[in-house]
Amino acid sequence: QKEVEQDPGPLSVPEGAIVSLNCTYSNSAFQYFMWYRQYSRKGPELLMYTYSSGNKEDGRFTAQVDKSSKYISLFIRDSQPSDSATYLCAMTPPETTGRRALTFGSGTRLQVQP
Amino acid sequence: KAGVTQTPRYLIKTRGQQVTLSCSPISGHRSVSWYQQTPGQGLQFLFEYFSETQRNKGNFPGRFSGRQFSNSRSEMNVSTLELGDSALYLCASSLGDRTYEQYFGPGTRLTVT
Repeated sequence: QKEVEQDPGPLSVPEGAIVSLNCTYSNSAFQYFMWYRQYSRKGPELLMYTYSSGNKEDGRFTAQVDKSSKYISLFIRDSQPSDSATYLCAMTPPETTGRRALTFGSGTRLQVQP
Repeated sequence: KAGVTQTPRYLIKTRGQQVTLSCSPISGHRSVSWYQQTPGQGLQFLFEYFSETQRNKGNFPGRFSGRQFSNSRSEMNVSTLELGDSALYLCASSLGDRTYEQYFGPGTRLTVT
């Protein structure tokens, strides 16, 4: 079983919809939680990162972490066709083992229909 | 400020050959990490270099190696290529020792035939 599980999709929504993307993880030692967006034939682009349980908002994006349930979410409000991409969650190990050795989910492919 | 650059962007090699990929981090960034992305395994961490020292290594065979130069540029090498090494190899740079954010380059698409 993978340490980080993410539904691969594809997830298809109409323009303007609220999108919910989720990851679950098994390693309680993960410290920082990140969301990346990857367009086709491009490298991943960092959207948001959080440390503690709770919500963090940035424009149309809200990242949510529930460490007790080992569950993280990314919400996209007022989704646009330009949001169509693969969304990857990523997590960092404890500082003692290297904070930049990210463990990624498999990615969810999102399609926003105009 | 220019982003992370990787060269070459595309590469075709034959089984048994070796290959060297190059990464130039964002100016001022001292950490460079390498990842392999495949449809089956997703994104997997290869190794990280900080100030010319390997700080961390993922679960890959010894055929995968890397190095970092004094200007923070990094190279990774894969020897004795196998078909399963076909992948997108991504480089990510990070500012310093206490930062978590990593910024990825466009990747090098390696095809092994």
